[in-house]
This record gives sequence, C-alpha cells and structure tokens, in this order.
Amino acid sequence: AQRVTQPEKLLSVFKGAPVELKCNYSYSGSPELFWYVQYSRQRLQLLLRHISRESIKGFTADLNKGETSFHLKKPFAQEEDSAMYYCALLIQGAQKLVFGQGTRLTINP
Amino acid sequence: ETGVTQSPTHLIKTRGQQVTLRCSSQSGHNTVSWYQQALGQGPQFIFQYYREEENGRGNFPPRFSGLQFPNYSSELNVNALELDDSALYLCASSLGSRGPNEQFFGPGTRLTVL
Repeated sequence: AQRVTQPEKLLSVFKGAPVELKCNYSYSGSPELFWYVQYSRQRLQLLLRHISRESIKGFTADLNKGETSFHLKKPFAQEEDSAMYYCALLIQGAQKLVFGQGTRLTINP
Repeated sequence: ETGVTQSPTHLIKTRGQQVTLRCSSQSGHNTVSWYQQALGQGPQFIFQYYREEENGRGNFPPRFSGLQFPNYSSELNVNALELDDSALYLCASSLGSRGPNEQFFGPGTRLTVL
C-alpha cells in the first residue's frame, strides 16, 4: 500500500528551538519525496524535494530508506515558519502525489 | 508568468446536483492534476490530465470526471453530489507527465454540499 504518515497533527516550539516534523512512508517502488508548505492565506507550495538535497529557508530533509522516513528539520525555528506542512510521495507511472494529513507548526515567540 | 487560477472560489450546492470547477494552468504547463482536500486532511489525488488525455486516476467513483482543453486549462465535473463531496478542490499544474516535476497549486475551490 502507498501511504504517507505524519504522526503529529500539531507541533508547537519556541523561537530559536530546533524543529523536526516527522514523515514516514510506505511504498514498494523507489520513493520520490517532497515537503509542501501552506502559510496562512496562501496556496500550497513546494518547500523541498529529496532529490535536490538542498536547504530551503534553513530546512533540510534526509531520506532514510531503512526507516522509510523523510523527516523535516530546522536547527533554529523562526516565527515565520508557522504554517501547515505536508509530506508527499510521488507514485511513479501514475504521476500522483500521495499526501500525509499534515502537521500544523506553531512557533511561539 | 501567470500562476494557477481556479474558479469559482466558493460554491454551495445541494445533494444530487452537478458541479463544474475550472482551472487555468500556469503558463507553459501541459499537465493538470486535481486533488480533493477534506477538512483536517491532506490533499487526495483525483486524476491527472496530460495533453488532453487522462493520465492516472485515484480512488474516486466515475461520477468524478474531467476534461483538459487544447490550451491546457481543465475542468472537474462531479455528478450526483453527496454530502461527503464537501471539500476544498485543488488544481495543480506541471510540465510533463514523467519524473518528479514540481506541481504548482492553485488557491482551490471550496465546495459545500447541503
């Protein structure tokens, strides 16, 4: 079965603290994983993808095939990071994205 | 460059009615995907159109149908509306139907079925 699990619906941390948003996936093929973000009153937008291996807005995510995880991390949270974050898996062939249910991140001042 | 647009923004229908939602893809994009996002859930894939042909479908009944036009804009049609169809409907456009191409999302259409 193709599934993406984000175990935390809500996550609250203080400004300057480290952040980790968890994502686990289930997929028999070679996974292509993404993190999408939705800021307040804005549309869903791509934050980063694992194949790029880049850091965006201080966020990084490493694909761990052994643990089937793609956790999103940032060493020092900022207030502007408050948003809804979705982990997504690309199902190749079907070219569809399978999303987790999302984690609402709140950064407290 | 124009981003993805969707119309209408909001829509209220009653059970049994039919609805058509519209999406204009980002300039230069030839692929459109539709997603349903119920309250408190992540988006769920409905189907994708590439160059006017359906290119993949999720687990949705046949009363969900779509079209893509020569200018790559797209419609989502839902017949015999049910209460559970109440959701935010998202359209996303991308270039090409293969590979991990970034999908650019529209603002969505909020459908309420009474």
